[in-house]
Amino acid sequence: ETGVTQTPRHLVMGMTNKKSLKCEQHLGHNAMYWYKQSAKKPLELMFVYNFKEQTENNSVPSRFSPECPNSSHLFLHLHTLQPEDSALYLCATGHTNTGELFFGEGSRLTVL
Amino acid sequence: GENVEQHPSTLSVQEGDSAVIKCTYSDSASNYFPWYKQELGKRPQLIIDIRSNVGEKKDQRIAVTLNKTAKHFSLHITETQPEDSAVYFCAASKNGNKLVFGAGTILRVKS
Repeated sequence: ETGVTQTPRHLVMGMTNKKSLKCEQHLGHNAMYWYKQSAKKPLELMFVYNFKEQTENNSVPSRFSPECPNSSHLFLHLHTLQPEDSALYLCATGHTNTGELFFGEGSRLTVL
Repeated sequence: GENVEQHPSTLSVQEGDSAVIKCTYSDSASNYFPWYKQELGKRPQLIIDIRSNVGEKKDQRIAVTLNKTAKHFSLHITETQPEDSAVYFCAASKNGNKLVFGAGTILRVKS
């Protein structure tokens, strides 16, 4: 257990559904990240939050909407997704400028 | 922005042999280079990292080397064991912010 918990672990949704992924950390880190992991592709950085402020949106489509209500929680709201959005979505936390990331187990998303 | 290339994409070695995975990066301002190991169905975990002020770092059977001039760094695993089988990712960043990952290397250690 690394102190980063993601729910749900698995999610199947239709293209018209609205769902949310949740990440919770108990490590006291100030930075939280969403990464997308697709088969045979590098881990893709999606969003970065530092002290609850979004500092990076890596050209992510608006059908993905992040929310960071406090330093312990990070959400990824999903709306009208496409089948190509099916992937493992990983939350990670860390201290800004120290480098090491602590990942959650990921949420496996399937869009039908 | 930063771009990280990783080779090979798959690597099979016999138990006890050494394994080497190589990465190149594009941004000369990058100064932090971690390696992550992801076992099947598990989360990526940091196994070793190096900063640009050193050229080599070792931790038991794992070592990482960095060539700043050529902008490449490598992971070396000696005396490989079956439990080393996993996907290994290299990454690069400036000051630890916004890690950019390579595509990963699937390492298979055959016993």
